[in-house]
Amino acid sequence: KQEVTQIPAALSVPEGENLVLNCSFTDSAIYNLQWFRQDPGKGLTSLLLIQSSQREQTSGRLNASLDKSSGRSTLYIAASQPGDSATYLCAVIGYTDKLIFGTGTRLQVFP
Amino acid sequence: DAGVIQSPRHEVTEMGQEVTLRCKPISGHDYLFWYRQTMMRGLELLIYFNNNVPIDDSGMPEDRFSAKMPNASFSTLKIQPSEPRDSAVYFCASSLGGGVLTDTQYFGPGTRLTVL
Repeated sequence: KQEVTQIPAALSVPEGENLVLNCSFTDSAIYNLQWFRQDPGKGLTSLLLIQSSQREQTSGRLNASLDKSSGRSTLYIAASQPGDSATYLCAVIGYTDKLIFGTGTRLQVFP
Repeated sequence: DAGVIQSPRHEVTEMGQEVTLRCKPISGHDYLFWYRQTMMRGLELLIYFNNNVPIDDSGMPEDRFSAKMPNASFSTLKIQPSEPRDSAVYFCASSLGGGVLTDTQYFGPGTRLTVL
């Protein structure tokens, strides 16, 4: 059974810092991995999708990497801003065709 | 496009009552998903449809839960009878026809259900 874990569970940093959020999964047989952002009281917003054949994806200040063999992904946020404050979720799809979500990292960026 | 639309945004009901949650996917999307989010279990997939046909409902917790998609622009998730442990945020999501494995899912704002 696929299990997805995210570390740390919570993170509080001053504005301007570069951040790394970690995601690990137990079954390396995945088709893709996605990073989402969830704001309080709102739905999820897809940030980046990495196919299993890819090593990384970039969007603006965000960079996500994937090491399928070791079951790990990282989300790098450059020059963090207060607007980045949210919960970040990673999710994988494997042979079950279902998105399996991680436990989330709650990020707070203070001015 | 307005994105995925869900209604109601909040629902408070008493145990034993029937609850119906509604979802309108993004126009042109062939896949529709229903998720449930709780503090204890996180986000879980309940059921998903492809071209209005239920493909996998193995995540539906009990027979009290049912979902329908009568057409490409509307889906319902029904709980009858509701119980306090059904209290959660229910999300609907949709994606393009590229397939579950490759396409980004777009989520609605969710319905916060409280069963007293």
